[in-house]
Amino acid sequence: KQEVTQIPAALSVPEGENLVLNCSFTDSAIYNLQWFRQDPGKGLTSLLLIQSSQREQTSGRLNASLDKSSGRSTLYIAASQPGDSATYLCAVFGNEKLTFGTGTRLTIIP
Amino acid sequence: NAGVTQTPKFQVLKTGQSMTLQCAQDMNHNSMYWYRQDPGMGLRLIYYSASEGTTDKGEVPNGYNVSRLNKREFSLRLESAAPSQTSVYFCASSEWVENSNQPQHFGDGTRLSIL
Repeated sequence: KQEVTQIPAALSVPEGENLVLNCSFTDSAIYNLQWFRQDPGKGLTSLLLIQSSQREQTSGRLNASLDKSSGRSTLYIAASQPGDSATYLCAVFGNEKLTFGTGTRLTIIP
Repeated sequence: NAGVTQTPKFQVLKTGQSMTLQCAQDMNHNSMYWYRQDPGMGLRLIYYSASEGTTDKGEVPNGYNVSRLNKREFSLRLESAAPSQTSVYFCASSEWVENSNQPQHFGDGTRLSIL
């Protein structure tokens, strides 16, 4: 059974700093990995999707990497802003479904 | 640009009552999903529908039924609500490509409390 872990559960950093969020998964037989953002009381918004054949994807200040063999992914956020405060979830796709981690709650301190 | 629309947004039920959560998407996606989100548990898949006319169980299907009414609509029914079903329910949709998927689009959720 696939298990997805995100550590730490919560992170606070001053505005302007670069930061890295971590995601690990137990079964490397995945088709892709997604990073989502969730604001309080809202649904999930897809940020980046990395196919299993790719090593990384970039969108603006966000960069996600994937090392399938070691079961790890990172989400790098450059020059953090207060608007980046949210919960970030990673999810891996295999066997026709996504398996989610429990998320990292990120707070950017102005 | 509605995306995925869920109704209702909030609901309080008594134990044993039944209700149906509605979900509709306007992106012409083949696949639709129902998740529940509980503190410390992450999102768990209840049921999914890879295409119109098909449904399959996810990780936590007990106590729920689903109907893929047409390509746009996918409903989730609780026949006899239990306090353990208190949760936030999310519907999602995506395009299905063989052995892969495209980014899933989520609704804003239904917050359900069972007393």
